[in-house]
Amino acid sequence: DIVMTQTPLSLSVTPGQPASISCKSSQSLLHSDGKTYLYWYLQKPGQPPQLLMYEVSNRLSGVPDRFSGSGSGTDFTLKISRVEAEDVGVYYCMQSIKLPLYTFGQGTKLEIK
Amino acid sequence: QVQLVESGGGLVKPGGSLRLSCAASGFTFSDYYMYWIRQAPGKGLEWVSYISISSGYTDYANSVKGRFTISRDNAKNSLYLQMNSLRPEDTAVYYCARSLRKYRDDGFDIWGQGTMVTVSS
Repeated sequence: DIVMTQTPLSLSVTPGQPASISCKSSQSLLHSDGKTYLYWYLQKPGQPPQLLMYEVSNRLSGVPDRFSGSGSGTDFTLKISRVEAEDVGVYYCMQSIKLPLYTFGQGTKLEIK
Repeated sequence: QVQLVESGGGLVKPGGSLRLSCAASGFTFSDYYMYWIRQAPGKGLEWVSYISISSGYTDYANSVKGRFTISRDNAKNSLYLQMNSLRPEDTAVYYCARSLRKYRDDGFDIWGQGTMVTVSS
């Protein structure tokens, strides 16, 4: 199985400041079709997860442009350029290269200072 | 609007069975792969199962293989998860989710609110 490792596991950020979450996979997520199947989700308190980014850096419609994704191979990063209060929750990365088995990272809890 | 609504959760004894349902609306259900994902209390996310558009392909996490069965009824816009031989470690919120894009096995973009399953004596 592909293991997804996120760091840090928790993050406390002042509003308006940037935040960055790392996600490393135990195998390359680059598919033979040339795409990299890495997703980012945010689970706000008391809610189901919501998809933020797909294929590393594609924002889902409606996701603010302060969110950006980058990386390749086994190393990926989600960045928030200016954190807002509504960004609190747990962020998960997920891989789907080795279908049908999807695996998630452990989650990174973002809180506001 | 696009919506998934789960039902069927509850308290069940170890070794018991439950059948979860997921009602879809606001989109053409038969165009999308569908999934079950679960989250144990205070824990992270675990993919459980998937089913292809016409039910021709299914698969399961090793932790539930042989005990859980996923199915769908495209005429009723519904997804199901039959859970047998339940164990305490199956205790979780169970979410149904839709594939991001039509006609392909993909990330999950629409999630239901979840239904809680508690396995305890």
